[in-house]
Amino acid sequence: DIQMTQSPSSLSASVGDRVTITCRASQGIRNDLGWYQQKPGKAPKRLIYAASSLQSGVPSRFSGSGSGTEFTLTISNLQPEDFATYYCLQHNTYLSFGQGTKVEIK
Amino acid sequence: QVQLVQSGAEMKKPGSSVKVSCKTSGGTFSSYTISWVRQAPGQGLEWMGRIIPIFGIPNYAQKFQGRLTITADKSTDTAYMELSSLRSEDTAVYYCARGGPTGTDFWGQGTLVTVSS
Repeated sequence: DIQMTQSPSSLSASVGDRVTITCRASQGIRNDLGWYQQKPGKAPKRLIYAASSLQSGVPSRFSGSGSGTEFTLTISNLQPEDFATYYCLQHNTYLSFGQGTKVEIK
Repeated sequence: QVQLVQSGAEMKKPGSSVKVSCKTSGGTFSSYTISWVRQAPGQGLEWMGRIIPIFGIPNYAQKFQGRLTITADKSTDTAYMELSSLRSEDTAVYYCARGGPTGTDFWGQGTLVTVSS
């Protein structure tokens, strides 16, 4: 099984900040990775697919990078609606999620 | 517009089974995978298993082997997840999600399953 290690588990930030979240895969997964935002009581929403492609309708302040085993989600100019929990998800071999990162208001 | 619509909340006794449905529309059901993911209260997302309707063969996470059954009905574009021998730790929101070449794109709204005596 492919394990996804996501960090940090939580962070506090202010509106306008730049935030970076990292996922590491236990083995190479090419770019078979997506990033998801989840708000309480809602299903996850995809922000990034294929590691770095922006999902249609998602603001350009969200960006992804990486390939192989190291991946990053960056949120530039954090907005009030961005306070949520974020997950990485690999689909190279079945599915496996990172543990999640809760982005809270400082 | 692709939609995945799940059945409603369930309250179950320990030791019983639950079956949740996921009806899809707006896409080609057989060509994609349907995965089931669960989220216990206050916890992260956990992949349970999947099925590719065109083949009808499911794959399960080892944790759920023997207790989980995923099926797909191509005539109604509906996938099902049945979990047996329920225990309190199975209390969670269960999601179905569609997977394709670019990964998991559309999700159902979630179904709360509560296991309590």
